[in-house]
Amino acid sequence: SQKIEQNSEALNIQEGKTATLTCNYTNYSPAYLQWYRQDPGRGPVFLLLIRENEKEKRKERLKVTFDTTLKQSLFHITASQPADSATYLCALWNQGGKLIFGQGTELSVKP
Amino acid sequence: KAGVTQTPRYLIKTRGQQVTLSCSPISGHRSVSWYQQTPGQGLQFLFEYFSETQRNKGNFPGRFSGRQFSNSRSEMNVSTLELGDSALYLCASTSDRAQETQYFGPGTRLLVL
Repeated sequence: SQKIEQNSEALNIQEGKTATLTCNYTNYSPAYLQWYRQDPGRGPVFLLLIRENEKEKRKERLKVTFDTTLKQSLFHITASQPADSATYLCALWNQGGKLIFGQGTELSVKP
Repeated sequence: KAGVTQTPRYLIKTRGQQVTLSCSPISGHRSVSWYQQTPGQGLQFLFEYFSETQRNKGNFPGRFSGRQFSNSRSEMNVSTLELGDSALYLCASTSDRAQETQYFGPGTRLLVL
């Protein structure tokens, strides 16, 4: 069956460190993959999109990698700050034209 | 530009009732998608409308329905509410057919008693 899996446990890191979140998928061949941030009680906010023919994408302190052989995307936040604390969702676009989301990983950055 | 707006923000209903939720997309966006978010199932795709036509549909029962108006505003309706329908309902709009960037609204929190 088709699945998207993210770290189910919350990730706790110290301010200034790099946070790395994982998104694995099975039985999909996505044209692209997206990462969103969601704060409690609010809708997700789009962060980055990476296409199947791209290995890496960067935006300020954020970096996303996409390995279609491993069927995995990694999301990095460098020099993390307490304001980065949120739930991060990966989502992929399948050929059926639907955006499928992972369960999300809750990140907590301690000062 | 104003963001995606959803009304109402909070709603309490009882089992068996029906509910209608509204979504106004970003001006110029013609695609509106609806999602249900629960702690157990996460964010799940309900359906998507583009230019007043349902373009895609998730795996939800027929009690969940939607429509889109000529001004791109969208409504979703849930009939015969069940306790399990308690969730955060999110709508998202996009500007193009490729739907690469989804802009989400704040959601409607529905509680079914």
